[in-house]
Amino acid sequence: QVQLQESGPGLVKPSETLSLTCTVSGGSFSSYYWAWMRQPPGKGLEWIGYIYYSGRTNYNPSLKSRVTISVDTSNNQFSLKLSSVTAADTAVYYCAKLERWGMDSWGQGTLVTVSS
Amino acid sequence: QSALTQPASVSGSPGQSITISCTGNSSDIGAYNYVSWYQQHPGKAPKLMIYEVSNRPSGISHRFSGSKSGNTASLTISGLQTEDEADYYCSSYTSSYTLLFGTGTKVTVL
Repeated sequence: QVQLQESGPGLVKPSETLSLTCTVSGGSFSSYYWAWMRQPPGKGLEWIGYIYYSGRTNYNPSLKSRVTISVDTSNNQFSLKLSSVTAADTAVYYCAKLERWGMDSWGQGTLVTVSS
Repeated sequence: QSALTQPASVSGSPGQSITISCTGNSSDIGAYNYVSWYQQHPGKAPKLMIYEVSNRPSGISHRFSGSKSGNTASLTISGLQTEDEADYYCSSYTSSYTLLFGTGTKVTVL
């Protein structure tokens, strides 16, 4: 069973760029899609985007202009960058493995707060 | 893209069956058999309960079942137990090659 772990700053200033990394262990990294989701406090889940191990990406249209997801196959990691953040981007951010278009393994999540 | 529509809350007594609906359109739920359901307990990461409309991952109880008709998918929990009290989210693959979550349903065991 694959394990995923998010890492990155828990506090980001408004207008700056949020950067998170997801490290995958205990299973194959290749031949899978990997996804990022977020959940604002007390609210529902929002899909941010996904990346194939080869680098092909697709993003939520509402975030597309600010999002970049990249992959580092040599270290079994994939990363999220979200630019020009505001308080509305405060959320728990999750990474997950995609299989048959369902997220079958999730990281524990990391809270990112946008505040000066 | 707008979120898939779920009822805000559903409740039932222990042992009863409940059904949660998830309504989309012909570009998402109606277009593909790629509907998934997730259970989320407070403070925890979501857990995959159903994938491809009606398939259960290994280790998921047979009390959980999924179905789809047209643009609406459903999750049924049979023999409701106290540990089933949680938030439930549906998701679907879309014709734009994106993913879409539902609005979420809080299940309460009375």
